[in-house]
Amino acid sequence: GENVEQHPSTLSVQEGDSAVIKCTYSDSASNYFPWYKQELGKRPQLIIDIRSNVGEKKDQRIAVTLNKTAKHFSLHITETQPEDSAVYFCAASIGGSNYKLTFGKGTLLTVNP
Amino acid sequence: DAMVIQNPRYQVTQFGKPVTLSCSQTLNHNVMYWYQQKSSQAPKLLFHYYDKDFNNEADTPDNFQSRRPNTSFCFLDIRSPGLGDAAMYLCATSSRYRGSYNEQFFGPGTRLTVL
Repeated sequence: GENVEQHPSTLSVQEGDSAVIKCTYSDSASNYFPWYKQELGKRPQLIIDIRSNVGEKKDQRIAVTLNKTAKHFSLHITETQPEDSAVYFCAASIGGSNYKLTFGKGTLLTVNP
Repeated sequence: DAMVIQNPRYQVTQFGKPVTLSCSQTLNHNVMYWYQQKSSQAPKLLFHYYDKDFNNEADTPDNFQSRRPNTSFCFLDIRSPGLGDAAMYLCATSSRYRGSYNEQFFGPGTRLTVL
């Protein structure tokens, strides 16, 4: 089955710095890669996603890059703010399925004022 | 607002006492999921419904069952909860028929405590 590795498990940055979280996946048939943000005690919320026919996608301060050959994708957050502090999960669609996901183990991002 | 609702938000049960968690959605999505999330871990898929078709993950314990009586509602039944079943249970939905149908929308979760 699909295996998603996520690094680092914790990341601490100063406000205004950039943060990068990286994920690798094992199933070459995966074609959808979402990122979820989960604040303490709250539901996971989609912040950005990318499909396999695209190499990069940006939405204001966040961007995701995908390298299908190497089977890795990354989340980039620029100009970090304290409210960016949360756990971030990457995920990959399972095989050819468009509706089942395997999640990485999460990265606890702390943005220090 | 269209949303995914879970009740109760907090559930305390005794070891071995059956418990049912509920999820409802106003998104009219045809796929519904149940995830188990333990502290500091990723959500783990237990099972999902694709329309009325039930799909169990291979490693989901037999202790966990689910019912989906209609499009809007889905239930998670834990027949004999053990201490290891204490976790946050997340319901999610997605739509198979729309262009951006991969996105999963999560409910707020039910935190289950087993005494």
